[in-house]
Amino acid sequence: QVQLLESGPGLVKASETLSLTCIVSGDAISSYYWTWIRQPPGMGLQWIGYVYYNGRTNYNPSLKSRVTISVDTSKNQFSLKLSSVTAADTAFYYCARSIAVADHWFDPWGQGTLVTVSS
Amino acid sequence: QSVLTQPPSVSGAPGQRVTVSCTGTSSNIGAGYDVHWYQHLPGTAPKLLIYANTNRPSGVPDRFSASKSGTSASLAITWLQAEDEADYYCQSYDRSLSVSVFGGGTKLTVL
Repeated sequence: QVQLLESGPGLVKASETLSLTCIVSGDAISSYYWTWIRQPPGMGLQWIGYVYYNGRTNYNPSLKSRVTISVDTSKNQFSLKLSSVTAADTAFYYCARSIAVADHWFDPWGQGTLVTVSS
Repeated sequence: QSVLTQPPSVSGAPGQRVTVSCTGTSSNIGAGYDVHWYQHLPGTAPKLLIYANTNRPSGVPDRFSASKSGTSASLAITWLQAEDEADYYCQSYDRSLSVSVFGGGTKLTVL
């Protein structure tokens, strides 16, 4: 059974870079799309972007200039970097898997990690 | 503001049937893109409940069903149980925005 676990600092200073890692266990990271999704407290879910196991990426246009998602197949993990963060980036960040893109579904998800941006 | 519109809350007594609506536009649900549903208990991993409009993953009870028509979709939960109390989200794809989009979530309260 595939399991995903997010890890990284829970507090990031404004203007700095948010960095999170998602460790995948129970299956190889190859042949799938690995996605980051976030949810600001009290708000809806926002798709951030994905990385394919071969390194190909696609990002939400609203975040594209600040986002980098990368994959490390040797460690079976993938990562998110979000630069120049502000209070608006405070959110629960989730990693998830999908086997295709566009309108494909996400399964499974990690339990999420709260990242707070401090001023 | 979410691209897909869901009611903020629904409620029902144990044993009853409730539905959760998900309304989109001609750029997403109405364009023919599939709709998926998730169940989320705060502090836990969101769980895939329905995929590709009507399909249940293995292990999801048949009390959960969903449909799609035009620019909307709907999740139905029959024989409501206390354990169903959670937040429910719909998801699709928007071709104008070129992103996966979600509903704002619906909190189900079992009375």
